[in-house]
Amino acid sequence: LAKTTQPISMDSYEGQEVNITCSHNNIATNDYITWYQQFPSQGPRFIIQGYKTKVTNEVASLFIPADRKSSTLSLPRVSLSDTAVYYCLVNSGSARQLTFGSGTQLTVLP
Amino acid sequence: EAGVTQFPSHSVIEKGQTVTLRCDPISGHDNLYWYRRVMGKEIKFLLHFVKESKQDESGMPNNRFLAERTGGTYSTLKVQPAELEDSGVYFCASSQPGGLYEQYFGPGTRLTVT
Repeated sequence: LAKTTQPISMDSYEGQEVNITCSHNNIATNDYITWYQQFPSQGPRFIIQGYKTKVTNEVASLFIPADRKSSTLSLPRVSLSDTAVYYCLVNSGSARQLTFGSGTQLTVLP
Repeated sequence: EAGVTQFPSHSVIEKGQTVTLRCDPISGHDNLYWYRRVMGKEIKFLLHFVKESKQDESGMPNNRFLAERTGGTYSTLKVQPAELEDSGVYFCASSQPGGLYEQYFGPGTRLTVT
């Protein structure tokens, strides 16, 4: 399983764009990159998933360079309610289980 | 659409007792997963059901844990007998048959073993 490394914590201010980068140097050819968000006392919530280049949905964008050894989750114009833990996951195309790391605690300040 | 529900939300039991956790997945989701976070560590996979069949139970810590999914609907996770190190939050998740890594998690059951 590819190991992921992401910052333990990040602070931002309301209205700013936040970029959280995750490194996964030993990602395999059939691995996908997925990001989850977790609020206190709740289960993780799927944000976005990608394989290469750029993926965008109504919540975030995911940038994956050509070598796929890292990925960046971009949250546009964050608000206080975006304060949460963000997990970067790398999962094999053949495996169903999710492998969580330590995540990044994002704190949005007023 | 109702989300994944788990019952109870919190359970406090004594070491040696038995506890049964329940998970109701989203209707139509064939895949059901159990995860847990213990002692402030990372969330770890326990097992995966496809309908009523156990697809992968490689994460089950030992034979004190028994998971069932009768009829392919709700699932139960029984811990018998409970030990102190079983304390933590147990999450259930479900996904559609073709859902690749987009799993819908319940709020979790916080288990405290004293």
